[in-house]
Amino acid sequence: SAVISQKPSRDICQRGTSLTIQCQVDSQVTMMFWYRQQPGQSLTLIATANQGSEATYESGFVIDKFPISRPNLTFSTLTVSNMSPEDSSIYLCSVAPRRDTQYFGPGTRLTVL
Amino acid sequence: ELKVEQNPLFLSMQEGKNYTIYCNYSTTSDRLYWYRQDPGKSLESLFVLLSNGAVKQEGRLMASLDTKARLSTLHITAAVHDLSATYFCAVDSPNTGNQFYFGTGTSLTVIP
Repeated sequence: SAVISQKPSRDICQRGTSLTIQCQVDSQVTMMFWYRQQPGQSLTLIATANQGSEATYESGFVIDKFPISRPNLTFSTLTVSNMSPEDSSIYLCSVAPRRDTQYFGPGTRLTVL
Repeated sequence: ELKVEQNPLFLSMQEGKNYTIYCNYSTTSDRLYWYRQDPGKSLESLFVLLSNGAVKQEGRLMASLDTKARLSTLHITAAVHDLSATYFCAVDSPNTGNQFYFGTGTSLTVIP
């Protein structure tokens, strides 16, 4: 299994500002994912972040709004830029050590005022 | 676009009763995952179903997969309060294999 930590665990931000969320894994993994879970909703994949390549964004998500870094095999960051109240969500990172396994981080609960 | 739908969205049931949650998906995939999420918590993996006809059981929960019907079920037997949570199914992308697409979720409340 993989142990994943995220920082911060929660934050309250003002609109127009940006927040960078960190995701740390206790083992090296190639594939890492970022999800958004809006209040009372399911998880929506934002992007796939593989080390050594540009992140691949899903429809409806763009790099300017959600820039992602993946400097090594155990770490990634997701930035939520120019925030608005609609960005209030839980943001989760996950890793897939192999195809049929995916572990999730504890999530970052973001509130934008 | 890959769609994953669950029903019901909300389920309130009494302790001791049985019920089934359904998960339909719109594309070919032979891998289906069930997760549990408690309020304010992350996701906990329950079952990984890797082939047509797969059936897995853990305690009062049993999951099955019919890839031809593109349907998975999560059956709850003799529900207890501790099972109250939101349950998600997910399928992975047929193209990349590791991108998970989640169902709408089923919020289960077990009433004593």
